[in-house]
Amino acid sequence: GESVGLHLPTLSVQEGDNSIINCAYSNSASDYFIWYKQESGKGPQFIIDIRSNMDKRQGQRVTVLLNKTVKHLSLQIAATQPGDSAVYFCAENLPNNAGNMLTFGGGTRLMVKP
Amino acid sequence: NAGVMQNPRHLVRRRGQEARLRCSPMKGHSHVYWYRQLPEEGLKFMVYLQKENIIDESGMPKERFSAEFPKEGPSILRIQQVVRGDSAAYFCASSPLETGSPLHFGNGTRLTVT
Repeated sequence: GESVGLHLPTLSVQEGDNSIINCAYSNSASDYFIWYKQESGKGPQFIIDIRSNMDKRQGQRVTVLLNKTVKHLSLQIAATQPGDSAVYFCAENLPNNAGNMLTFGGGTRLMVKP
Repeated sequence: NAGVMQNPRHLVRRRGQEARLRCSPMKGHSHVYWYRQLPEEGLKFMVYLQKENIIDESGMPKERFSAEFPKEGPSILRIQQVVRGDSAAYFCASSPLETGSPLHFGNGTRLTVT
């Protein structure tokens, strides 16, 4: 079946810099996308979501961009902090997923250097 | 406002024993999803339940695994006759009724089969 994939398994950034985490999705009919943050020993934590009728959505220090033409999703974190160190997953709601069931990508580990 | 509660946090079972994992959804949420995660991997969907109904179990192994969400009490993921390959983190998530809502995850149960 189709799945969500990520380009970079590990991203290392300096504290204070901006981070960009990328995700490629393969199903052009997916209509809802979410970014999750997972710290060691914990469950995924919701960061931000975006629907397919939008190109950009901003939260506190985070921005999600959706490029439907190339089926690409990105998460931008401004002024990255040590507390941002975690694994980040993108997830999509495939068109024939039941309910709010999400299909997850493989994850990108973000390491923030002080 | 308690989030999704899972217990136990850690569970050790010998091969051949049974494992029971419990999940209480967020207050007001009637939909429960179980996911499995191997180390350094993404989350794989197992089963989606509503109260007293299994909606989608397409990700659940056909044998030894079962799930329920009774009218009263938590959702239970049951693994009979565990094998070493069942060792993983099992996450439960809940969502409200409306589609297009994010899943809220618990902190998981880490199952180790010895």
